[in-house]
Amino acid sequence: DTEVTQTPKHLVMGMTNKKSLKCEQHMGHRAMYWYKQKAKKPPELMFVYSYEKLSINESVPSRFSPECPNSSLLNLHLHALQPEDSALYLCASNRGPAEIINEQFFGPGTRLTVL
Amino acid sequence: DQQVKQNSPSLSVQEGRISILNCDYTNSMFDYFLWYKKYPAEGPTFLISISSIKDKNEDGRFTVFLNKSAKHLSLHIVPSQPGDSAVYFCAASAGSSNTGKLIFGQGTTLQVKP
Repeated sequence: DTEVTQTPKHLVMGMTNKKSLKCEQHMGHRAMYWYKQKAKKPPELMFVYSYEKLSINESVPSRFSPECPNSSLLNLHLHALQPEDSALYLCASNRGPAEIINEQFFGPGTRLTVL
Repeated sequence: DQQVKQNSPSLSVQEGRISILNCDYTNSMFDYFLWYKKYPAEGPTFLISISSIKDKNEDGRFTVFLNKSAKHLSLHIVPSQPGDSAVYFCAASAGSSNTGKLIFGQGTTLQVKP
């Protein structure tokens, strides 16, 4: 299994809603990542989990809350988002951040629209 | 401060010809470079990578060249096929930082015409 899966594929939510994005991989990878990508822009790193511990938070607003329940799963909990948070949210994984030769595998993303 | 730059937003080539996509970086700590391909509404797909100890890496139709002194890398696709039409991102990381953080360029949209 060489796949990173993400659910849901699309999500529309209001500014007062609480929702969660889910990411799963079964490649035995020990690092997982959340990225945000706006149209015609490159992916921007949000969070890094290494061995199920949060290792990087790129100054992301607290309305985004990551969670890593186990080595295969990564969640992103959303609450009180703003319309400007609408974007494609990408999950990625790799063997571990400390390994130099170590490409990240990306999931298909969740297209989020905040109304 | 853009540490990884792809100065050409778009490139158009004829099927069968060579596509050359360029990428420049400013951070001398970067030691690992990757190219990703992205179709609309999909996640980036890993294509090819190169470590700073090499100056060339080849995988089928794809070759990446690294010029460390110029802080420049390029992706060559030969021969180009219509299915190669996509957005191509180069990315760089500093392995010694142990963060796994990738810095992406702005992307180049490649169109291969039949």
